[in-house]
Amino acid sequence: QVQLQQSGPGLVKPSQTLSLTCAISGDSVSSNSAGWNWIRQSPSRGLEWLGRTYYTSKWNNDYAGPVKSRISINSDTSKNQFSLYLNSVTPDDTAVYYCARGWLQTGLAYWGQGSLVTVSS
Amino acid sequence: QSALTQPPSASGSPGQSVTISCTGTSSDVGAYNSVSWYQQHPGKAPKLMIFEVNKRPSGVPDRFFGSKSGNTASLTVSGLQADDEADYYCSSYAGNNNLAFGGGTKLTVL
Repeated sequence: QVQLQQSGPGLVKPSQTLSLTCAISGDSVSSNSAGWNWIRQSPSRGLEWLGRTYYTSKWNNDYAGPVKSRISINSDTSKNQFSLYLNSVTPDDTAVYYCARGWLQTGLAYWGQGSLVTVSS
Repeated sequence: QSALTQPPSASGSPGQSVTISCTGTSSDVGAYNSVSWYQQHPGKAPKLMIFEVNKRPSGVPDRFFGSKSGNTASLTVSGLQADDEADYYCSSYAGNNNLAFGGGTKLTVL
């Protein structure tokens, strides 16, 4: 059974970088059986897919247009985890952030527990 | 503003059926058989209920049924139970390695 455990700060100051990590058990971040995604949810934006990383003989990343200039997702195979970095945050980035396993075309079957990140000074 | 349009609320009595719609465009819902539906209880992560329009993951009861016609997908929940009360979100592959979500529908079991 795949499990995803999120960690990271719950409070980030404006203009700084939001960083969250998703530790994987029951699967490998470097397997080619799934993509590893970040999604956020806020009352104003609803659910919003942010991006993903996946491995198919090389590492690949895809990012959503609205955050493409500020986002980075990378993986750490030694720790079997992947991380989200979102820079130059504003209060509008305040949301519950989720990591999830799956392909965009076939659904996200496994989700982390969610992390509330508040952007405030 | 969400890319896919869902009604904000839906309701039904125990045992009844309810259908939730999800309207997109010819670039997302209409273009791909890649619609998923998620159930979310308060304070919990979304749970995948339907993928690829009408397929159910293991463990999801067959009371949940997905379909699609043109640019609109639908989720039908039959034999409503108290635990079905939750928020439901649709999503669709939107091409160019992008994923769109609906704004969510709050299902109330009367």
